[in-house]
Amino acid sequence: DSGVTQTPKHLITATGQRVTLRCSPRSGDLSVYWYQQSLDQGLQFLIQYYNGEERAKGNILERFSAQQFPDLHSELNLSSLELGDSALYFCASSPQLLAGEETQYFGPGTRLLVL
Amino acid sequence: GQNIDQPTEMTATEGAIVQINCTYQTSGFNGLFWYQQHAGEAPTFLSYNVLDGLEEKGRFSSFLSRSKGYSYLLLKELQMKDSASYLCAVVNSGGYQKVTFGTGTKLQVIP
Repeated sequence: DSGVTQTPKHLITATGQRVTLRCSPRSGDLSVYWYQQSLDQGLQFLIQYYNGEERAKGNILERFSAQQFPDLHSELNLSSLELGDSALYFCASSPQLLAGEETQYFGPGTRLLVL
Repeated sequence: GQNIDQPTEMTATEGAIVQINCTYQTSGFNGLFWYQQHAGEAPTFLSYNVLDGLEEKGRFSSFLSRSKGYSYLLLKELQMKDSASYLCAVVNSGGYQKVTFGTGTKLQVIP
């Protein structure tokens, strides 16, 4: 158990819908990262937040947005869902920005299926 | 941008040694991670290299050459439970940090 929690574990929805994925980082961790992992594309970095502010952006679609709240939990919002959005969505956290031996600790993921 | 290459699949025998290579091209290199990921599960941290050389941790070792943009993960005394995907990830520095993962190497350990 990494200490990072994600809800829900599984989500099934229809095309065109909107969903919200939630992540609680490890106690004391200030950085939160979101990743998408689909079968054919590996682990894709989406976005990073540090202490409530956006720090880095990866290949995140405009239909997707995220935020980190004052209590440091984070939400990833996916809207106008398409079949291709079906994937595992991982959240990870780290104490600060990645430096030295600090690593990211991954949550168990949310499996999203868009029908 | 960043580009990371790893072999897609490898097979090795239980008890043997296997080396998984990773080459990368990046600007502002700030470290390289190796993660293990079993199917459907979260990646788990194996090693971190930021300076050239070999880092050893039990059965796992990781090597980095920054001038060559090259790293490898060495797994010794392979066990069946080592069958998993191994992900190489590069951290880019400079104000905004970004982590780029390779597509992973799926290792199958056979008896």
